[in-house]
Parts: sequence; structure tokens; C-alpha cells
Amino acid sequence: GENVGLHLPTLSVQEGDNSIINCAYSNSASDYFIWYKQESGKGPQFIIDIRSNMDKRQGQRVTVLLNKTVKHLSLQIAATQPGDSAVYFCAETWAAGNKLTFGGGTRVLVKP
Amino acid sequence: ETGVTQTPRHLVMGMTNKKSLKCEQHLGHNAMYWYKQSAKKPLELMFVYNFKEQTENNSVPSRFSPECPNSSHLFLHLHTLQPEDSALYLCASSQAGGLVNEQFFGPGTRLTVL
Repeated sequence: GENVGLHLPTLSVQEGDNSIINCAYSNSASDYFIWYKQESGKGPQFIIDIRSNMDKRQGQRVTVLLNKTVKHLSLQIAATQPGDSAVYFCAETWAAGNKLTFGGGTRVLVKP
Repeated sequence: ETGVTQTPRHLVMGMTNKKSLKCEQHLGHNAMYWYKQSAKKPLELMFVYNFKEQTENNSVPSRFSPECPNSSHLFLHLHTLQPEDSALYLCASSQAGGLVNEQFFGPGTRLTVL
């Protein structure tokens, strides 16, 4: 599948546990952030976004936290399920532009 | 289905071949993108088109030639590629401008250059 050979950080989590995926972004001027999920054989899929005027946003089973002081973004997945196994990417952009810069990705493996 | 389709899904080509990748979006978007995802690097933006005009070329070698005939279609013409060009090529689309930039990705074309 995709990303074979790419040495991604891997998070192994037991089914039902919570997962936390971290991302350090690069540009202090970034004002909009997105988390994407990429399953094997598919392109990245939008999960949740957050603007820089917020520090927390919740979706269905997912929460994104933003710490602008240390330029850190995290994605929390509650009650992780086998279908959550994928590679997760954070992306940043700024000034209402449409150029996204992606992080390196984290592979999440859910153990049954 | 994300509303963005790519063909072919898999392509094997020699270094002297010429081939084209096709992307089509059915979302009414007016911005389209090509990304490269390789085994050694994360997602890299290659080209951006807004309203059919190229607005970003991220220092991509000339052996990659994009074409955007209309807002729904995007091509990537390939010629005299190198083995290190083997990668997953992803197309995406979004609404140009505004504060929200959710990009919708296609499934990608897995390219192998021999």
C-alpha cells in the first residue's frame, strides 16, 4: 500500500483506547490547520480543521488541540476502532491561501 | 468516494516513455493540485491551478508538465522520467480563495519508472 518504505512514526493502540497523535508545525504565521487520514489505497481524507483563533475543536470521536506558543497540534481519537488504522497527516496554511504544507505523518495501528 | 477521480490507478513506464496522468473532479471546485508522495518523503506539493491558471510550481523538473484545460480536469504529462520519480501522484481540488481550504484528494496513481 501507500507509504510502504516511508519510515513513519508508528502509534500502536489497543482497540477501545484513546489515541493521541502529535504534530509540530513550522510557520508561526500559519492560521489554519487540518488533519487528514490516509488509508491504504486511498488519498488523504479530511478529518477536522481548526483556525488559529481557537485552541480546541471537537468532532465526532476526534478532538484537535492547538498550542500556538509552541507551534504544536494534536489529534485525539476517542475509543479507537480498527477502522482508524491509517496514516494521519497534519497540514498548515496561512493568509487565506490555498497552499497546504503537510507534516510527515504518523501511522496508527489498532490492535484488536 | 471523494468526488475526485484519477486514472490510471497504476502505471509502469520506462525512462524513454511518454505518458499522462488524468484527474477529474466532480465537485464544482475551481482550484486543482498535483502532489507527489514518495517512499522517502512526505506529501510534496508540485503544482497549483486556480481558475485554470497555474499559480504555483514548486520547483518541479520540466520532465513533469501539467495541463489544466478547464476547472474540472487536470493532467500531468510525463516524459523521460527517472527511477526516483517512482511515487504515488495525488490530485486534489478545492474552492479557490476564502478562509477555508479543505482539499479533496483522489486515490492517486501509483507510478513505477523502470
